[in-house]
Amino acid sequence: EPEVTQTPSHQVTQMGQEVILRCVPISNHLYFYWYRQILGQKVEFLVSFYNNEISEKSEIFDDQFSVERPDGSNFTLKIRSTKLEDSAMYFCASTRTGIDNYGYTFGSGTRLTVV
Amino acid sequence: DQQVKQNSPSLSVQEGRISILNCDYTNSMFDYFLWYKKYPAEGPTFLISISSIKDKNEDGRFTVFLNKSAKHLSLHIVPSQPGDSAVYFCAASALLGPGRSGGSNYKLTFGKGTLLTVNP
Repeated sequence: EPEVTQTPSHQVTQMGQEVILRCVPISNHLYFYWYRQILGQKVEFLVSFYNNEISEKSEIFDDQFSVERPDGSNFTLKIRSTKLEDSAMYFCASTRTGIDNYGYTFGSGTRLTVV
Repeated sequence: DQQVKQNSPSLSVQEGRISILNCDYTNSMFDYFLWYKKYPAEGPTFLISISSIKDKNEDGRFTVFLNKSAKHLSLHIVPSQPGDSAVYFCAASALLGPGRSGGSNYKLTFGKGTLLTVNP
């Protein structure tokens, strides 16, 4: 069964450093997303991406965040200068249409720890 | 901003019995509802969904009921199995309208989740 792949599974970084979280969505999917879950809290929407542009972003997704689809397969989330409160599980997701009977397919996540 | 609420943080049931997980929402613009299951150190896995034009959707042991007037949905698992033990997230979707890049622009709003434990 096709899956969304995320790397690395765990990233530890110092406050102020830049991090890039990587995702390989399912190959024939057209819509890509980043969500995050701070420990003990709910899964929150960060950004949606379609047709090589950001479709929608939340207030969490400030100027420190950016997304890119540098080639036909990877979808990356960059945090320019990490803060302690950026520590969370980051989930990439993709779907062929905007929404369908099968929801989104999520990756296993990257646990980001900012120290 | 608690547009999707799961008021029970945990639920414990005996194997073979019914598990009922509840979810309430406040935004009447939501038109699609989904349930996801999540194991530790894994991403959410899609379980079942329901469109706002329906009141019930069934898939094997899983049934989702939607009561639009009450803005309430529930997930029934019958019979419950120990392997069902996981965190269950309710999520709701609304069409935001065409995004800047076109396409069908949706996002999911999640509840906080309910930890289901099925005891053998």
